[in-house]
Amino acid sequence: SQKIEQNSEALNIQEGKTATLTCNYTNYSPAYLQWYRQDPGRGPVFLLLIRENEKEKRKERLKVTFDTTLKQSLFHITASQPADSATYLCALDPFSGAGSYQLTFGKGTKLSVIP
Amino acid sequence: GAVVSQHPSRVICKSGTSVKIECRSLDFQATTMFWYRQFPKQSLMLMATSNEGSKATYEQGVEKDKFLINHASLTLSTLTVTSAHPEDSSFYICSASRYLTGRTGELFFGEGSRLTVL
Repeated sequence: SQKIEQNSEALNIQEGKTATLTCNYTNYSPAYLQWYRQDPGRGPVFLLLIRENEKEKRKERLKVTFDTTLKQSLFHITASQPADSATYLCALDPFSGAGSYQLTFGKGTKLSVIP
Repeated sequence: GAVVSQHPSRVICKSGTSVKIECRSLDFQATTMFWYRQFPKQSLMLMATSNEGSKATYEQGVEKDKFLINHASLTLSTLTVTSAHPEDSSFYICSASRYLTGRTGELFFGEGSRLTVL
């Protein structure tokens, strides 16, 4: 069956350290993968999109990697701050890049950055 | 950036009543809108996809007669939960895309609507 797994339900990290979140998927062949941030009681906010032919993508303190062989994406936040505390969701197009915009989401990892 | 507004943010209703949730794209025309449902500590579950001017496509297991979706214009989609029951209590979130199918890109989400059915 198809699965998207974000390995940690919760992750606590000290301020200033690098947070690394993992997203694994099975029985999908996505053309791209996305990461979103969701604060409590709010809708998700788009952070980064990485395509299957891209190994790594960066945006300010954020870095995403995409390994289609391992079927895994890693999401890094460097120099983490308490304001980075939120739930982070990975999502992919379940129709293998058909451009349908239908996204399937993981359950998310709740990140807490401790001052 | 693209802004999607969802209203109301919170609604409490009695069992058996109907509730309408609106989703508007404020600064772009949304050719496609999506409605999701999210239970606590669970992932967003896609309920339906709606394209402007056509019938919504519902995901398996979602009752189309219970969750009525109307996408009458390029900037407005509505979700009506008919004859709501306590098990319909959830967080409903809409999202919109700028483009027709065939292009990739991010989705823009509304703020979500917390429905509580007593």
